[in-house]
Amino acid sequence: NAGVTQTPKFQVLKTGQSMTLQCAQDMNHEYMSWYRQDPGMGLRLIHYSVGAGITDQGEVPNGYNVSRSTTEDFPLRLLSAAPSQTSVYFCASSRHPTGGMETQYFGPGTRLLVL
Amino acid sequence: GENVEQHPSTLSVQEGDSAVIKCTYSDSASNYFPWYKQELGKGPQLIIDIRSNVGEKKDQRIAVTLNKTAKHFSLHITETQPEDSAVYFCAAIPGAGGTSYGKLTFGQGTILTVHP
Repeated sequence: NAGVTQTPKFQVLKTGQSMTLQCAQDMNHEYMSWYRQDPGMGLRLIHYSVGAGITDQGEVPNGYNVSRSTTEDFPLRLLSAAPSQTSVYFCASSRHPTGGMETQYFGPGTRLLVL
Repeated sequence: GENVEQHPSTLSVQEGDSAVIKCTYSDSASNYFPWYKQELGKGPQLIIDIRSNVGEKKDQRIAVTLNKTAKHFSLHITETQPEDSAVYFCAAIPGAGGTSYGKLTFGQGTILTVHP
């Protein structure tokens, strides 16, 4: 199994541009989520999904959209990038439909720089 | 929602010494407490976890303790080695009845450096 994969590894955007961060998992996990990691702030939950067709907001959802059309994929879209979205983004998945009390497996991350 | 505080933010020890990282949480409904290790340029990886019905759990050189009354939990690493150097995160997940049911809330992280 490849586990959780993320593309791209690194991206530079200009303010106002849009892009999609890709996340895929091959473990047939129901729960998938997106986090952003900023210095001194740990990881903060952006959006999550408990199954195909079901998504919900996390702690910091503004400026991001998600959809879950398949069990395997959970892309994160930035509609109009802002410098405040410069961060490292991690995707994670878990077998449990709520993500609770189950190991969450993280991808390698996407480093995003918005100029 | 849940709030997790982690201390210290940096920790420097000599090889062979012990290291202790402490976390407190706010939501009494939290019932699952994982610890993650993040190496440079990689995603966090689970190293140990504890559930609320257990006070202590050990896995070789790593142990975690939980005090539900005081709402704090700690990571203990004994006989530290240079390869233990990394960023460590604690986290908490509220169970049913919690305002953040099923959502992982992380502490701010501890940079552990083990000097040879």
